[in-house]
Amino acid sequence: TQLLEQSPQFLSIQEGENLTVYCNSSSVFSSLQWYRQEPGEGPVLLVTVVTGGEVKKLKRLTFQFGDARKDSSLHITAAQTGDTGLYLCAGGSSGNTGKLIFGQGTTLQVKP
Amino acid sequence: NAGVTQTPKFQVLKTGQSMTLQCAQDMNHEYMSWYRQDPGMGLRLIHYSVGAGITDQGEVPNGYNVSRSTTEDFPLRLLSAAPSQTSVYFCASSRSHVGEQYFGPGTRLTVT
Repeated sequence: TQLLEQSPQFLSIQEGENLTVYCNSSSVFSSLQWYRQEPGEGPVLLVTVVTGGEVKKLKRLTFQFGDARKDSSLHITAAQTGDTGLYLCAGGSSGNTGKLIFGQGTTLQVKP
Repeated sequence: NAGVTQTPKFQVLKTGQSMTLQCAQDMNHEYMSWYRQDPGMGLRLIHYSVGAGITDQGEVPNGYNVSRSTTEDFPLRLLSAAPSQTSVYFCASSRSHVGEQYFGPGTRLTVT
């Protein structure tokens, strides 16, 4: 069974601080997605990484896919209160019957 | 485009009652899925469909039924509600099984 472990599960920081969220597995994934979810809403895709070692930037957010495609990280620079939410990683397995496997999520609280 | 719509938004059931959660999408996506979200457990796949007339079980299918008579609709049926089914349920659609998931707003279900 493929599993994705996210850490930390909860993070509370002050506005302006930097943070990193990790998503780790012992399995290889064909792609890795990061979603953000606000209270009362469904998750929304932030980014998809597909190549080992790939780095993608979305304004103050930097996403990295591990060289072996088993892990990923999300780094936020100078966090803002608007970054508050639940961050979920999801790994895609290869093959026609593959499915997305979601991590447990990281709840981020950015205080003013 | 309305995207993915779900009804109802909230529901309270008594143990043993049955009900259907509705899900519809207007993006002509072949792939649709149902997830449940519980604190600290991320999103767990209940059932999914790769096209009209085709459904399959996910990670936690017990107690739930689905059908896919059209591309647009993918209802989830709870046969005999149990307190363990208290959760937030999300429907999602996508172009492929590991592509970007478009989530509905969710249904918060409480079983007493």
